[in-house]
Amino acid sequence: DQQVKQNSPSLSVQEGRISILNCDYTNSMFDYFLWYKKYPAEGPTFLISISSIKDKNEDGRFTVFLNKSAKHLSLHIVPSQPGDSAVYFCAASARRGETSGSRLTFGEGTQLTVNP
Amino acid sequence: NAGVTQTPKFQVLKTGQSMTLQCAQDMNHNSMYWYRQDPGMGLRLIYYSASEGTTDKGEVPNGYNVSRLNKREFSLRLESAAPSQTSVYFCASSQPGLRDTQYFGPGTRLTVL
Repeated sequence: DQQVKQNSPSLSVQEGRISILNCDYTNSMFDYFLWYKKYPAEGPTFLISISSIKDKNEDGRFTVFLNKSAKHLSLHIVPSQPGDSAVYFCAASARRGETSGSRLTFGEGTQLTVNP
Repeated sequence: NAGVTQTPKFQVLKTGQSMTLQCAQDMNHNSMYWYRQDPGMGLRLIYYSASEGTTDKGEVPNGYNVSRLNKREFSLRLESAAPSQTSVYFCASSQPGLRDTQYFGPGTRLTVL
């Protein structure tokens, strides 16, 4: 039962263009969503997040959009740069209390390649 | 400030051998986690520790045990390794109040022959 799905294993875009990475979820209890970026032989690094009370969050070249009715979120990277080439993971969590650890459910990941 | 560190970086085991993966964080975070990453499956939670002295099972706990040694350290033990445990293992930590942002170590690549 894959509660967070990234249906595109890979995406290739030209430098300077927009990259759009998609993520779907099934669990309506999820109320916080994150994107992580992972380079080979390194651990994932946090990129950007969004709470379910918002539908958009922006940080420089990165924007995350959330469509709660469709249970869909997307990460937009504009403009894309060769250094953005990495695997991008979508993750989701449901609030479990201030003193509880957060349990993140990850998607399968999308390999983004930005060509010069 | 090293963040989250993991040892070893690489390990090859034979079926049936045991080993412990070590993880330490210097960010004074309360919560720590162990994940495994397999091709096409994202990261799956093995065990986590919400705070010092507590541990809970995640999505794929079978074949593993954990110890939250103190606030800084969280170890993962394979008592009798199996080829199905060949994977890349990541440790992470987070602080309640920094909602759900987990910080990951560099990973341990484990091969079980």
